[in-house]
Amino acid sequence: DVKVTQSSRYLVKRTGEKVFLECVQDMDHENMFWYRQDPGLGLRLIYFSYDVKMKEKGDIPEGYSVSREKKERFSLILESASTNQTSMYLCASRRQGTRGEQYFGPGTRLTVT
Amino acid sequence: GENVEQHPSTLSVQEGDSAVIKCTYSDSASNYFPWYKQELGKRPQLIIDIRSNVGEKKDQRIAVTLNKTAKHFSLHITETQPEDSAVYFCAASEGTGTASKLTFGTGTRLQVTL
Repeated sequence: DVKVTQSSRYLVKRTGEKVFLECVQDMDHENMFWYRQDPGLGLRLIYFSYDVKMKEKGDIPEGYSVSREKKERFSLILESASTNQTSMYLCASRRQGTRGEQYFGPGTRLTVT
Repeated sequence: GENVEQHPSTLSVQEGDSAVIKCTYSDSASNYFPWYKQELGKRPQLIIDIRSNVGEKKDQRIAVTLNKTAKHFSLHITETQPEDSAVYFCAASEGTGTASKLTFGTGTRLQVTL
């Protein structure tokens, strides 16, 4: 059974803070993704990584960066948090080359005050 | 890039009735169309998908249809039950192989009433 975990379910940070969101998967998946989910806007892709140390910008990368030093871990970094980054952040993983199911983590609800 | 539009944004049906959710996509190169279900407070999970070489796919009470010419695809749920209440997201896949990614629609909140 695929397991995708995220470091925090809820997080409250102040404007200007550097924020790290961690995602870990245990199925040796090559592809990993970071989305943000906002009401009425669906799931929007921030960044994805198709292998270790590889990264690609998604649709809304501004204000974010990522790190993939190990295959199982994909980190999302908010260099200087702003209130418009208050959102639900979802991580997902997928086996490469399948275009198959993306397995999502439970999400981190981030509030920036 | 790909753009996926989804309608309606909310849908209320009585238990036992059918529900239909429609999506359109813009990139004619897209060839993979999954549907995800997200129950309240839970993570999205894949419920059914279709590839562009197939026009229809069924799995028990759910079915998906694809019209490549018109660039739209639909989710059909028959004999709805209270546990079908959730937010449903359609998606389309662009890119090839390694760098393929999904573009999601904005979601449909389905409520099945007793």
